[in-house]
Amino acid sequence: QQQVKQSPQSLIVQKGGISIINCAYENTAFDYFPWYQQFPGKGPALLIAIRPDVSEKKEGRFTISFNKSAKQFSLHIMDSQPGDSATYFCAASKASGSARQLTFGSGTQLTVLP
Amino acid sequence: KAGVTQTPRYLIKTRGQQVTLSCSPISGHRSVSWYQQTPGQGLQFLFEYFSETQRNKGNFPGRFSGRQFSNSRSEMNVSTLELGDSALYLCASNQGALQETQYFGPGTRLLVL
Repeated sequence: QQQVKQSPQSLIVQKGGISIINCAYENTAFDYFPWYQQFPGKGPALLIAIRPDVSEKKEGRFTISFNKSAKQFSLHIMDSQPGDSATYFCAASKASGSARQLTFGSGTQLTVLP
Repeated sequence: KAGVTQTPRYLIKTRGQQVTLSCSPISGHRSVSWYQQTPGQGLQFLFEYFSETQRNKGNFPGRFSGRQFSNSRSEMNVSTLELGDSALYLCASNQGALQETQYFGPGTRLLVL
């Protein structure tokens, strides 16, 4: 069962444009929603994260919008740059006993054209 | 602080063999999680260790196993390798105690022929 659905699978944006990646989740027990950025040959790196009691979080050019009632959240990258070209994963986390477990979306390959 | 390190970075094995991958977490981190990343299935959780005890396990067959040592370093083992085990195996660490942020290593790319 895919608990976190991510779209689109790939995205091409012009330099300076806005990149938008969407995710939807099913399990209301999730209480922490991070976004990871992965470059080829590297492991995923935490980009930005949000908790469900907040509707929006902004860090520099990156913004998460969160809609708890719709069980959806999205990543907006403003003024996209070629250096932002990477694969982006949304994730959802919940406590499982004494630990936390991350469930990832399927990933979005972002290409920013110069 | 040094990041999460994984060894080896690349590995080629044949079907039926077994393999052991190693992960050294960030200093002070006591929780280590393992993930399998493939183009078809994406990132899937394998298991998580904290203080040498497995706390969580994903939906993988028993051929996949792991352990954690007293210095928090972890190993994962895959026995009787299958072609479908070809993947990038990622290790992530955090401080434990329900800490949310996980820090990933660069991964070990395993190719099974």
